[in-house]
Amino acid sequence: QSVLTQPPSVSGAPGQRVTISCTGSSSNIGAGYEVHWYQQLPGTDPKLLIFDNTYRPSGVPDRFSGSKSGTSASLAITGLQAEDEADYYCQSYDSSLNWVFGGGTKLTVL
Amino acid sequence: QVQLVESGGGVVQPGRSLRLSCAASGFSFSSYGMHWVRQAPGKGLEWVALTWSDGSKQYYADSVRGRFTISRDNSKNTVYVQMNSLGAEDTAVYYCARSVTASGWQNSYFDYWGQGTLVTVSS
Repeated sequence: QSVLTQPPSVSGAPGQRVTISCTGSSSNIGAGYEVHWYQQLPGTDPKLLIFDNTYRPSGVPDRFSGSKSGTSASLAITGLQAEDEADYYCQSYDSSLNWVFGGGTKLTVL
Repeated sequence: QVQLVESGGGVVQPGRSLRLSCAASGFSFSSYGMHWVRQAPGKGLEWVALTWSDGSKQYYADSVRGRFTISRDNSKNTVYVQMNSLGAEDTAVYYCARSVTASGWQNSYFDYWGQGTLVTVSS
């Protein structure tokens, strides 16, 4: 199991809003370390989506947003589009394990 | 533009060694830490190793510590990972990724990734 826990899958219809959770512990997210999110389209390398909990790199649509509270973080996607269908990973630092990823969440656009 | 190009992957027998390379261009390579991250077939991402920008420090995942060595040559804009005593569990696509440490090295994230190179450990 991953140190950061994500739901294996989520789904939503076009135009809807979905959220993906990332649950950690007191040795990673709860210790105050930042959370980052990546999108991996099928057959491609991961792409940075959100950094430092809430910030979007240039070029990432504002339909994507991140938040963090306590030992958890969330990625929200509004106005769901077909091209959002991908795997999403959260990432943070763990005081025992160094850099860690969540297990990944497969987003299906219905 | 930033480019990271991995090479050196292939099929290797269990117990043997392999060295991967990642050639960087489009940025000041010596100013950035560099990570290796791997992804087993059909699985999620796993962080492997980090080298600081000047190569003075290295960090490893427990799963590879003692078997893998990350290094870099800033004169060649290249980061390497030497992988020894390979096992089936090391079969994966290996990505190099640039480290951003604006909020401190522990909060580093990966802003650019290579396309990956596949390592298959099989007899």
